[in-house]
Amino acid sequence: EAGVVQSPRYKIIEKKQPVAFWCNPISGHNTLYWYRQNLGQGPELLIRYENEEAVDDSQLPKDRFSAERLKGVDSTLKIQPAELGDSAVYLCASSLDSGNWKTQYFGPGTRLLVL
Amino acid sequence: AQTVTQSQPEMSVQEAETVTLSCTYDTSESNYYLFWYKQPPSRQMILVIRQEAYKQQNATENRFSVNFQKAAKSFSLKISDSQLGDTAMYFCAFVSGGGADGLTFGKGTHLIIQP
Repeated sequence: EAGVVQSPRYKIIEKKQPVAFWCNPISGHNTLYWYRQNLGQGPELLIRYENEEAVDDSQLPKDRFSAERLKGVDSTLKIQPAELGDSAVYLCASSLDSGNWKTQYFGPGTRLLVL
Repeated sequence: AQTVTQSQPEMSVQEAETVTLSCTYDTSESNYYLFWYKQPPSRQMILVIRQEAYKQQNATENRFSVNFQKAAKSFSLKISDSQLGDTAMYFCAFVSGGGADGLTFGKGTHLIIQP
């Protein structure tokens, strides 16, 4: 079974430029998460989707960040315009809605460097 | 809000030794789940072990086991017969209720296994 796929793996951009990250979750997983991991820190949740609905986006900086999950499968996270402080690893995770709890499976992440 | 604290930024042990990583958490909820994730230098976050709060029995997965002390809000990870491939960042994580929410992570412990 294929794991969570993310692209690109690395991205270097200049500040004020737009950038987008793509995530393909594990087949059949209805819940999708985007996390941001700053250097030396644990990941922090940005947004959670249940199917195509964003059910928790309270930590998403909505002035510059946006996300979508078309047809409840793939998801895209966008930053426009990027700032120096956005340099981080962006992780996507997915989980299956079954049983009493859900284990989140992570993708390899996209490492963003804003110059 | 829940918090997760990992008080050991870095640990180093010799191959084949046993090592214990500490984790404490703070929550007012009675139903929750705890996880240990491993993040090697490649950045892929991998689930090591998980524990349901309502289960008194400590979880074990081969060389990995936990010491879950609910009253003390402590959740330590023990790695027996450590191997070079165990070198990685280890993150303790918490999720409340049904497990669908985003994970709350600690800052991580960098574990180095010396040959």
